[in-house]
Amino acid sequence: QQQVKQSPQSLIVQKGGIPIINCAYENTAFDYFPWYQQFPGKGPALLIAIRPDVSEKKEGRFTISFNKSAKQFSLHIMDSQPGDSATYFCAASTETSGSRLTFGEGTQLTVNP
Amino acid sequence: DTGVSQDPRHKITKRGQNVTFRCDPISEHNRLYWYRQTLGQGPEFLTYFQNEAQLEKSRLLSDRFSAERPKGSFSTLEIQRTEQGDSAMYLCASNFHRAGYTFGSGTRLTVV
Repeated sequence: QQQVKQSPQSLIVQKGGIPIINCAYENTAFDYFPWYQQFPGKGPALLIAIRPDVSEKKEGRFTISFNKSAKQFSLHIMDSQPGDSATYFCAASTETSGSRLTFGEGTQLTVNP
Repeated sequence: DTGVSQDPRHKITKRGQNVTFRCDPISEHNRLYWYRQTLGQGPEFLTYFQNEAQLEKSRLLSDRFSAERPKGSFSTLEIQRTEQGDSAMYLCASNFHRAGYTFGSGTRLTVV
């Protein structure tokens, strides 16, 4: 059972655009929602994370929007740059799982110059 | 410490051979995780340790897989009698309590 569904699978934007990646979850016990960025040949790197007591969190050009009632959260990248081209993964975990992360399927983002 | 180190970066092995991977976490991190990632997919949880105790193993993990973390420091992941389906990137990560993970760059295993 896929507990975190991510869309779209791939996304192409122009430099300066605002790509939006969406995730939906099923397990209402999830209480930690991070986003990871992965470049080819590298491990995922934590970008930004949110807990369900807030609806939005910004760090630099990255913003997470969280909708607890809809069980959805999304990543917005402001003023996207070619260097942002990577694969992005959403994830979720619960404390009772020992912070074991359940990942989405990933979104391959391409930012054209 | 500059991050999580994994060794080797690449491993090619023949089907039926045993392989062992090593992970050195960030020294102050008490939790260590192993994940597996196949092409085009998100990482999939395998197992995790809190200090030296292995607290959870994925039900997807066959008994050919074993992991250890002696003295709560580095960890090893062994795969016995490798199969072609074991070909994947094996990722190690560490954190302290519920802080964000730091992943290593992974070990890419190819079983031929």
